[in-house]
Amino acid sequence: EAQVTQNPRYLITVTGKKLTVTCSQNMNHEYMSWYRQDPGLGLRQIYYSMNVEVTDKGDVPEGYKVSRKEKRNFPLILESPSPNQTSLYFCASSTGENTEAFFGQGTRLTVV
Amino acid sequence: GQQLNQSPQSMFIQEGEDVSMNCTSSSIFNTWLWYKQDPGEGPVLLIALYKAGELTSNGRLTAQFGITRKDSFLNISASIPSDVGIYFCAGQLIQGAQKLVFGQGTRLTINP
Repeated sequence: EAQVTQNPRYLITVTGKKLTVTCSQNMNHEYMSWYRQDPGLGLRQIYYSMNVEVTDKGDVPEGYKVSRKEKRNFPLILESPSPNQTSLYFCASSTGENTEAFFGQGTRLTVV
Repeated sequence: GQQLNQSPQSMFIQEGEDVSMNCTSSSIFNTWLWYKQDPGEGPVLLIALYKAGELTSNGRLTAQFGITRKDSFLNISASIPSDVGIYFCAGQLIQGAQKLVFGQGTRLTINP
């Protein structure tokens, strides 16, 4: 089954404790991205990657890092989480030729 | 960053009624997408539009890509309880890398 898998689905952490949210897709898509969803703001892009070792900032990259060492994986790293990073995070992937992005089920992160 | 203005933000309707929502932008887009998000899930693609003026249907859903390339609408006919959820428009800008810009979402509630 074609899918985008995020882990964990839920995470509560403390300010300053580094964390990683993993994302994996099995569709051989070149393009992957991370979004955060906040009430009244829709989905805002954090980072995206157009292929292995190619990443770029989206609209709200501050406080986040990503890496794309393999085509299928695109982890999101918060080196020093802060409460304003409490949000619902989605990973998405698509082919390089269209933008019909497929989304994961989301990771709800709470930073206290 | 770029923004899409989606309206209305919420709708409360009776089962069987038709629904209409739209997105506008000051920027030109070359692709418009409409997604639906169920509670606890990631957005799922409903309709993709690739040409100005294009009118596309998917069952009871109809969407159009505005002639000016700056707007799009989604109609749902004869609403049913499973239509409940949050609907997002998303656009891809003509310039720059493949990235999606999302509207703020329309939360649809249906009274049986």
